[in-house]
Amino acid sequence: ETGVTQSPTHLIKTRGQQVTLRCSSQSGHNTVSWYQQALGQGPQFIFQYYREEENGRGNFPPRFSGLQFPNYSSELNVNALELDDSALYLCASSTRTGANSPLHFGNGTRLTVT
Amino acid sequence: GIQVEQSPPDLILQEGANSTLRCNFSDSVNNLQWFHQNPWGQLINLFYIPSGTKQNGRLSATTVATERYSLLYISSSQTTDSGVYFCAVHPYNNNDMRFGAGTRLTVKP
Repeated sequence: ETGVTQSPTHLIKTRGQQVTLRCSSQSGHNTVSWYQQALGQGPQFIFQYYREEENGRGNFPPRFSGLQFPNYSSELNVNALELDDSALYLCASSTRTGANSPLHFGNGTRLTVT
Repeated sequence: GIQVEQSPPDLILQEGANSTLRCNFSDSVNNLQWFHQNPWGQLINLFYIPSGTKQNGRLSATTVATERYSLLYISSSQTTDSGVYFCAVHPYNNNDMRFGAGTRLTVKP
């Protein structure tokens, strides 16, 4: 069974640039959620994708956008990067949307914005 | 929105000791999960426990949904138990998992 994989592991970008982070869900999982974890805090929900459509969104501006592909993998795109976007970005997959499925996380992408 | 509070924020134990971590939440929830984040940032799902009690080796968890709290028990702690333990709840009619601020556990040899 293949777990959740994320790429890249680390990334350094300059303020104002754009970034794309990638996630492959665990085999058999059709739902992908993205989280942002600032240093010393718990993860915060960005959005969830199911059947290639956004299926719930947290309190993040529109410059955070995503995609899900037919193989259930997903991308997180962030435009016009700000210094506060520096964080660990975590992808989690599950077998179902909503509450009735445990989340399985990848190792994350650590983004630094300078 | 729903508030999730974890206590204590920090905990230092000697190897072999037992501990109890607590998670309080401010409203009814659809489910609750406990995670362990290791020093490299990886989040591991420990328990999916909307109610009742579950055990997995040296770890066990109890959720009392009617009283809006959950407890994570760690027995005979080992240095590999070190890291941050997060409680996360799933409010009704929402796909947003809300995480607490975590309990940072350090187990000393």
